Order: sequence, then structure tokens, then C-alpha cells
Amino acid sequence: KAGVTQTPRYLIKTRGQQVTLSCSPISGHRSVSWYQQTPGQGLQFLFEYFSETQRNKGNFPGRFSGRQFSNSRSEMNVSTLELGDSALYLCASSLEGLEQYFGPGTRLTVT
Amino acid sequence: GENVEQHPSTLSVQEGDSAVIKCTYSDSASNYFPWYKQELGKRPQLIIDIRSNVGEKKDQRIAVTLNKTAKHFSLHITETQPEDSAVYFCAARATGRRALTFGSGTRLQVQP
Repeated sequence: KAGVTQTPRYLIKTRGQQVTLSCSPISGHRSVSWYQQTPGQGLQFLFEYFSETQRNKGNFPGRFSGRQFSNSRSEMNVSTLELGDSALYLCASSLEGLEQYFGPGTRLTVT
Repeated sequence: GENVEQHPSTLSVQEGDSAVIKCTYSDSASNYFPWYKQELGKRPQLIIDIRSNVGEKKDQRIAVTLNKTAKHFSLHITETQPEDSAVYFCAARATGRRALTFGSGTRLQVQP
């Protein structure tokens, strides 16, 4: 099976802009979770979607949002970008939320 | 919410030695404990996991032990090799939640 894919792999944005990241899960996986990875904060959970419904949300401001489509692909949106949003954004897919397999990530740099 | 502490933050061993990384968790409802390996510039890879109804699980040179009473779990790597060098993350997930809470990571360096 093909692994989890994420696009784009790299992004450079300016403060105040918005960005949309995409994640395609492993075929058959209906759960997609998003994480933010930074050197200072480690891996932090953003939200999880299952069958187009958000099942869980982490402690991030409302500028961070997401959605999932009927084919299980998921998008994450960050509005009004801040310098502190610079990070590696990882998505992970799983069948039922247990064994999670990560994508390669999108490296977002906010200038 | 869940809190996972991981120690040590860095670990250097000689090739062939064993390495042990320890994690403690706070939520007694946690029932799933995976370990991930992340090489530089790569994605985290699931290397082994354990559920709360099991005390130990082994896969070739790696093993994980779980002590539910003390709320801690450990990763053991035997006969370490240079390719084991990476950052290792532990995580915990509570029943009814979908989010993994990660430890802060351990940078393992295996000296040839």
C-alpha cells in the first residue's frame, strides 16, 4: 500500500497570510490526525478526523482548522499566520485511531 | 489531560551495548503506548507498541515493558547499531480519546 502523502512539502508564507495543507491517508484508513512539531514544543496534537467528522481537538487557537473529505483526504488551514506557526506539520492516518502512520510532513516557514 | 514525561533527553552508547528509554504517564485511563523513531529529516516511524493488557512485547532487538501500577513504560534496544541513531518518542493514548500525547523525545547516538 502507498504510504501517507502530504503536499506541499515546503511552504514559505508571510505573517498575516493563510495556508492550506493537504494529507492523503493510507488507502482504507478513515482516521486522520494532525500534529505540529517544533524543536521547543515537540509533537503536539492539533485535531483528528474520522469519516468527515472532527472527533478530537487539541489546545490550539481557532486560527487552526481542518476538514476531511469523503475519500478520507484531509486539509488543514491556518489563517492569519504568525511567526510562531513556523513548524513541521505532520499528519497521521490509522484505521481506528490506534496505530498511526505519519506522512513526511509539510515544513512551514512564516517570515 | 494526559502528560507524558520521557527520560533521558540524550543517550550515547557504544555499538553493541543496550539502550533504555523511560516514559511515565499521568492518565490512568491510558491504554495504548506506541514508540516512534524519527531519523533526521524523516517522518516518525512506528517501531513498536503495547496495549495495557500486556506487560511486555518484543520484536527482534527492541522490546517495550509496561508497568500500569507505576504508570511507566520503557523501550529497550539490545545490540545497538549505528543505524539505531535517531530521536525516539514515546506516546500514550487514553480510552475514548483519539489523540496521542507524546513525550519530549530522546536523542540516541550509537558510537561505532
